[in-house]
Amino acid sequence: AQTVTQSQPEMSVQEAETVTLSCTYDTSESDYYLFWYKQPPSRQMILVIRQEAYKQQNATENRFSVNFQKAAKSFSLKISDSQLGDAAMYFCAYRSAITQGGSEKLVFGKGTKLTVNP
Amino acid sequence: DSGVTQTPKHLITATGQRVTLRCSPRSGDLSVYWYQQSLDQGLQFLIQYYNGEERAKGNILERFSAQQFPDLHSELNLSSLELGDSALYFCASSVGGTSGYYEQYFGPGTRLTVT
Repeated sequence: AQTVTQSQPEMSVQEAETVTLSCTYDTSESDYYLFWYKQPPSRQMILVIRQEAYKQQNATENRFSVNFQKAAKSFSLKISDSQLGDAAMYFCAYRSAITQGGSEKLVFGKGTKLTVNP
Repeated sequence: DSGVTQTPKHLITATGQRVTLRCSPRSGDLSVYWYQQSLDQGLQFLIQYYNGEERAKGNILERFSAQQFPDLHSELNLSSLELGDSALYFCASSVGGTSGYYEQYFGPGTRLTVT
């Protein structure tokens, strides 16, 4: 079974600064997807960024980028020019690309609470 | 707004009771997923339906059951409720299928409090 580990329960960053959230995962599969989700106080789950394992290029979405190290099974999220609205819980998630038994379930880490200080 | 709707938003009930949570997927989405978010267990996959058929089961208790109806909406039934069932229950939907990438869109969740 796949597992996702986020070793930083909490992080803080100054507004306009850069912060990196860590995520490691364990899988025996070679083809999969990785995601970062944001959960603000409203509790809505918002997809921030995704990475396909077969792609060597790191995904980027505006101020959000990832550092995907497949051999190390590491998938960190970098937030540049942090804004007050970035304050939220961030969850790293894994999804198999091979739908064994037909499931496209997401496996989540425990989350990292990000505080942005003005 | 993800396009996924869940009702009710909040539910407070007593131990031993039974409740039903409802989810309407985005228009055109055939897959519905249920997730439970609790303080101690984090976000866990419960069950997935695809076009009316159960596709996969996760850590779903035997006291819990779900179904997807012909109009593709889904219901999650929780019975013999215990204090530990208090959690935020999310429904997500996607186009679904057997391969390729497709995003799962999450609803706003139903907050269940068991007293």
